[in-house]
Amino acid sequence: DAGITQSPRHKVTETGTPVTLRCHQTENHRYMYWYRQDPGHGLRLIHYSYGVKDTDKGEVSDGYSVSRSKTEDFLLTLESATSSQTSVYFCAISERESRDEQFFGPGTRLTVL
Amino acid sequence: GDSVTQMEGPVTLSEEAFLTINCTYTATGYPSLFWYVQYPGEGLQLLLKATKADDKGSNKGFEATYRKETTSFHLEKGSVQVSDSAVYFCALRSGGGADGLTFGKGTHLIIQP
Repeated sequence: DAGITQSPRHKVTETGTPVTLRCHQTENHRYMYWYRQDPGHGLRLIHYSYGVKDTDKGEVSDGYSVSRSKTEDFLLTLESATSSQTSVYFCAISERESRDEQFFGPGTRLTVL
Repeated sequence: GDSVTQMEGPVTLSEEAFLTINCTYTATGYPSLFWYVQYPGEGLQLLLKATKADDKGSNKGFEATYRKETTSFHLEKGSVQVSDSAVYFCALRSGGGADGLTFGKGTHLIIQP
């Protein structure tokens, strides 16, 4: 299994509070991704990173920001959480760009009350 | 843009039955195609992949063939087991950049003994 951990694994928070989710990898892969999984939608890309301090937006980036200061860590921040951001969040990594498979972490279940 | 369409289910089969989960796609260029499996409470695991037309991916008794002429990548297994019960996602990744995967909505498979 790819060495990917996510923390926390579960979190309950209130509307309007900031939340940061962490993804940590031990594979030294260049590319990292954040997805959210919602019933009826499959997985949708939030943000991705193609190197340290290099990030870009995905399909559903509104209300989220990311940072990557080290190869192994990719942080997802909800500046002011809303109930619509209740979801399961998955981090993924990829060794190469363009048409290569991705490996997923165990997920973080976030509930915003 | 890219898209993936698959039956959502739930699909309920008896043990030892033949399985087909249909997947069709729309993409620019020549995408790589993937099937991922998600067991309850877990992250996504790569099941199989194909990177060019007529390639057949296979793993754990599952197979899928990349059909460019019909833009399809149907998942098949000759004899399913109760342990195959899970959600199956068809996904693609187009060439040309570090973008993420495009997923179908997932098919929930239930195998009854």
